[in-house]
Amino acid sequence: NAGVTQTPKFRILKIGQSMTLQCTQDMNHNYMYWYRQDPGMGLKLIYYSVGAGITDKGEVPNGYNVSRSTTEDFPLRLELAAPSQTSVYFCASSFRSAGQGEDKNIQYFGAGTRLSVL
Amino acid sequence: AQSVTQLGSHVSVSEGALVLLRCNYSSSVPPYLFWYVQYPNQGLQLLLKYTSAATLVKGINGFEAEFKKSETSFHLTKPSAHMSDAAEYFCAVSRGFGNEKLTFGTGTRLTIIP
Repeated sequence: NAGVTQTPKFRILKIGQSMTLQCTQDMNHNYMYWYRQDPGMGLKLIYYSVGAGITDKGEVPNGYNVSRSTTEDFPLRLELAAPSQTSVYFCASSFRSAGQGEDKNIQYFGAGTRLSVL
Repeated sequence: AQSVTQLGSHVSVSEGALVLLRCNYSSSVPPYLFWYVQYPNQGLQLLLKYTSAATLVKGINGFEAEFKKSETSFHLTKPSAHMSDAAEYFCAVSRGFGNEKLTFGTGTRLTIIP
């Protein structure tokens, strides 16, 4: 089972460059999330989506953009990379529908993308 | 607003000894609480969760956690540490069913001494 797949695993960017971090899930989850993890810190939510065509800001959205054109894919875009965006980025997904049991409210994570901006 | 505090960024225990990782939470509503584990170069994996049912929650790999409302705590324990338990552990809180946004603690790195 693939679960949540993130590409690339590693990337080095120069200041001002742009790139897209890819995330895809094959579990038919409606909710998807992007987090960043900085050394010694917990994960911070960047953006999330509750379904195709619907996205919303998390705790640290500045400098990022997202789109959700399909249920499976939730790419994260960095338009003008800055050193402050050096981090490890995690994508996650979960499933929720009205009346479901609590067991469904679990987030599944990808292996992460390690990004350095120099 | 909700938050979690993990006491101790690094914890070392001997193989076979008790593992205790501490987590205290703050929430204005009854919380959902989670423990996730992250092995090197991998994503986070759910260990266990509390969702207002039994206060003692059993998870995978022999871990368990007890929700104590009076102490606003959700500490993670394992009776006997194994070398394979070496990893980083994150406590997280959400506002409950219907709000899936998680707030994570800063993590505790567990080292097992042979």
